Amino acid sequence: DQQVKQNSPSLSVQEGRISILNCDYTNSMFDYFLWYKKYPAEGPTFLISISSIKDKNEDGRFTVFLNKSAKHLSLHIVPSQPGDSAVYFCAASPSANQAGTALIFGKGTTLSVSS
Amino acid sequence: KAGVTQTPRYLIKTRGQQVTLSCSPISGHRSVSWYQQTPGQGLQFLFEYFSETQRNKGNFPGRFSGRQFSNSRSEMNVSTLELGDSALYLCASSSAGGMNTGELFFGEGSRLTVL
Repeated sequence: DQQVKQNSPSLSVQEGRISILNCDYTNSMFDYFLWYKKYPAEGPTFLISISSIKDKNEDGRFTVFLNKSAKHLSLHIVPSQPGDSAVYFCAASPSANQAGTALIFGKGTTLSVSS
Repeated sequence: KAGVTQTPRYLIKTRGQQVTLSCSPISGHRSVSWYQQTPGQGLQFLFEYFSETQRNKGNFPGRFSGRQFSNSRSEMNVSTLELGDSALYLCASSSAGGMNTGELFFGEGSRLTVL
C-alpha cells in the first residue's frame, strides 16, 4: 500500500507561470516532509522541506504548503523556468526526532516547463 | 567538497549471479542509505547504516544486504539476482546523527541490468 502518493505522473507549464505539484500521504505518523528534484542521469537533490508544526515554508521561488487535516502537501514554483524541468519526488519521514533516514518516497511527477 | 560516489555506474548481470555495489559518502557524513529506483515503484528504501551499524531496514528480501566500514564507505550486495532486481540503486549520505532531518545527498546511482 502506497503511503506517499503523487497522483499526477506529469505536468506541463509555460515559462513564467506557476507550477503546482501535489502529494498525498496516508500515515498520520509522518511529521516531516521533503521535496527532491531529479534530472536524468543524476541523483535526486534536496529542494525544500517542511515540519508538521508548520503549514508553509518558503525558499526563493519554491514554497511548500502542508495541510495536515487533509494529509496533503503541495510544492509551488513561481515563476517556473525551463531549468526546473525535472522529476519531482515528494518524501515523508516518520519523525524528525527519530534516528535514521528511512524516507518514504512518492513515485514522482515529471515537470516540463516550456519557453 | 566531493559528493557521494557510487561504483560501478553501470553493470549487467545474469539471473542467479550476485552483485556488489559500492558507495563513498561525503567526507564527514556517517549515515549511508540505499534506495532502489524502478519505473513502477519510484524510490524504495533498502537500508541505512550509521557508524557501521544497520539502523533501519526496508521491506526487501534477505537477498539484499549491506555493510558499512569504519571509514563510512558502504557496500550493498544482492545475491541470486532476479530479473526484477533490474533498477537504479541510489546511495545517499547524511550528516544526521541522532536526528532525522531527512536531507540526503544522493550519488548518481548504479544502473543494474539483470538478463
